[in-house]
Amino acid sequence: QSALTQPASVSGSPGQSITISCTGTSSDVGGYNYVSWYQHHPGKAPKLMIYDVTNRPSGVSSRFSGSKSGNTASLTISGLQAEDEADYYCTSYSTISTYVFGTGTEVTVL
Amino acid sequence: QVQLQESGPGLVKPSETLSLICTVSGGSISGYYWNWIRQPPGKELEWIGYMYYSGTTNYNPSLKSRVTMSLDTSKNQFSLKMSSVTAADTAVYYCARRYSSSSRWFDPWGQGTLVTVSS
Repeated sequence: QSALTQPASVSGSPGQSITISCTGTSSDVGGYNYVSWYQHHPGKAPKLMIYDVTNRPSGVSSRFSGSKSGNTASLTISGLQAEDEADYYCTSYSTISTYVFGTGTEVTVL
Repeated sequence: QVQLQESGPGLVKPSETLSLICTVSGGSISGYYWNWIRQPPGKELEWIGYMYYSGTTNYNPSLKSRVTMSLDTSKNQFSLKMSSVTAADTAVYYCARRYSSSSRWFDPWGQGTLVTVSS
């Protein structure tokens, strides 16, 4: 079971939009609509940002949105803000009832 | 607001058993799926497994032979034991909740606790 592939880093200026990709296989990302995204500031608890590909939990800014096409899911952050600077991880439900995580993306606000 | 806090020894010797506890506050442990997830230094997150409050478990096949999870409803805690540890088990260990059988996401998480395997 291989990790989902994410870009190591993505950067953008305040106010811009950035997109983080998360590529898996038909056994995970492509096979289920069970992709979730987490924001992680080092030393703190990871925070759920998106679940079931497109759904945003209560309290999460509408600037965060998710989508999926084939074996690749994406997280878009619109109107980038300094507070968005963090690590982001995707995860997907996978066959044999397990979960696989992404390699992680460091978001830098320039 | 439910909060999770991991605790346990920060240093474990090779071949010994790693033991961690996750304490749940602000809500009941009953009715949910309780997970352990870890992140070795410089590597991606790895799902270790879960325990349902009824006692049902599901472990990552790659770790199944060494992992045992348990739950103490009276203390609102659940625990992880991993036997025969090696340096490869050095990681930050997180506990996290899954809300229901149909929810495939983790929320909330604990802050994590670093466990180092070294003699």
